[in-house]
Amino acid sequence: DIVMTQSPFSLAVSEGEMVTINCKSSQSLLSSGNQKNYLAWYQQKPGQSPKLLIYYASTRQSGVPDRFLGSGSGTDFTLTISDVQAEDLADYYCLQHYTSPNTFGAGTKLEL
Amino acid sequence: QVSLQESGPGLVKPSQPLSVTCSVTGYSITTSYYYWNWIRKFPGNKLEWMGYINYDGSIYYNPSLKSRISITRDTSRNQFFLQLNTVTTEDTAVYYCARQRVYFDLWGQGVMVTVSS
Repeated sequence: DIVMTQSPFSLAVSEGEMVTINCKSSQSLLSSGNQKNYLAWYQQKPGQSPKLLIYYASTRQSGVPDRFLGSGSGTDFTLTISDVQAEDLADYYCLQHYTSPNTFGAGTKLEL
Repeated sequence: QVSLQESGPGLVKPSQPLSVTCSVTGYSITTSYYYWNWIRKFPGNKLEWMGYINYDGSIYYNPSLKSRISITRDTSRNQFFLQLNTVTTEDTAVYYCARQRVYFDLWGQGVMVTVSS
């Protein structure tokens, strides 16, 4: 199985700050066929299901604010949230969907 | 409007089977190239992909669960089902169903299942 190592475990932030969350995979998620990285980012708020933010490492899902930015390739990926808003306080997960079984990072809790 | 909704027992005794249903509305589970997944979230927040049944009925399970898991569907009711056998307290989790073409783009709200005597 591909192991997804996500850091940090938690982040204390203030509104207006920029934060970065990292995810490292134990093998490359870059497809040689289409040059896409099979890495997605999800946001989960208490009592809700995970919401897709970013797919193919850097493509923002429709309706996601542009303060969410995904970057990286191969084995190293980053989710950057600029100008953090109170509504962004949640848990964030990376997911590799390059191969089965799909595997998740351990999550990052964003809190005030 | 596409939606997924899980339903399940809430409480299951150890060694018994756990069964959860996912009802899909607004989208046929036989639509080409989509996969219908079960994912669970443990207390402590770890997420685990459990398996899927896809549009043509093919099934793939997480090897870590392969001996205990079964995923089936009823296309007439547009539902798919999870059965997990011989559960222990370590199977206590929120169980989600989710749609996938490449990534999981749509999730149900989840159902909490507690394994306890």
